[in-house]
Amino acid sequence: DVKVTQSSRYLVKRTGEKVFLECVQDMDHENMFWYRQDPGLGLRLIYFSYDVKMKEKGDIPEGYSVSREKKERFSLILESASTNQTSMYLCASSSGQGRTQYFGPGTRLLVL
Amino acid sequence: EDQVTQSPEALRLQEGESSSLNCSYTVSGLRGLFWYRQDPGKGPEFLFTLYSAGEEKEKERLKATLTKKESFLHITAPKPEDSATYLCAVQAGGFQKLVFGTGTRLLVSP
Repeated sequence: DVKVTQSSRYLVKRTGEKVFLECVQDMDHENMFWYRQDPGLGLRLIYFSYDVKMKEKGDIPEGYSVSREKKERFSLILESASTNQTSMYLCASSSGQGRTQYFGPGTRLLVL
Repeated sequence: EDQVTQSPEALRLQEGESSSLNCSYTVSGLRGLFWYRQDPGKGPEFLFTLYSAGEEKEKERLKATLTKKESFLHITAPKPEDSATYLCAVQAGGFQKLVFGTGTRLLVSP
């Protein structure tokens, strides 16, 4: 079974803090993704990575950065958290040849 | 621009009352259509992938079908444990980017 884990289920941060969200997959997948999910807006792609040290912007990259130093790990960084970044953050991974993305359990982030 | 529209937004069924969820899409060059189930506070759980018009996939009480413009998720004799939000997503273009609909919230009452 594909296993995608995220470092925290719930996080509460203050405005201006630097926030790190980590995602780890155990299936040797080449591709990894970060989404945010908001009511009425669905899932929106923030960043994705198709290889170690490679990254591509998704639809809403502003205010975020990512890091992929190892194949199994993909980190999302909020450089200076703002209240409009309060959301559910979802990580996903997929193999290079396959197309199905497998999701982690999500991190619910509250920025005060 | 690729778009996915799901309907209805919410659906309430009695246990055993069959129904269908709709996913309409507009993409240039469909590479795959995906159905996921999401329980409250959890990540989406993969259900099906459909690649071409006419394709059908089944899993327990769920059956997904695909045409050139839409997909249906048929739920036969649903049970309360089928209550969840069902998400549809499409993949188009040269990479594995998914475009999601906003989901259908299904509630099955005993």
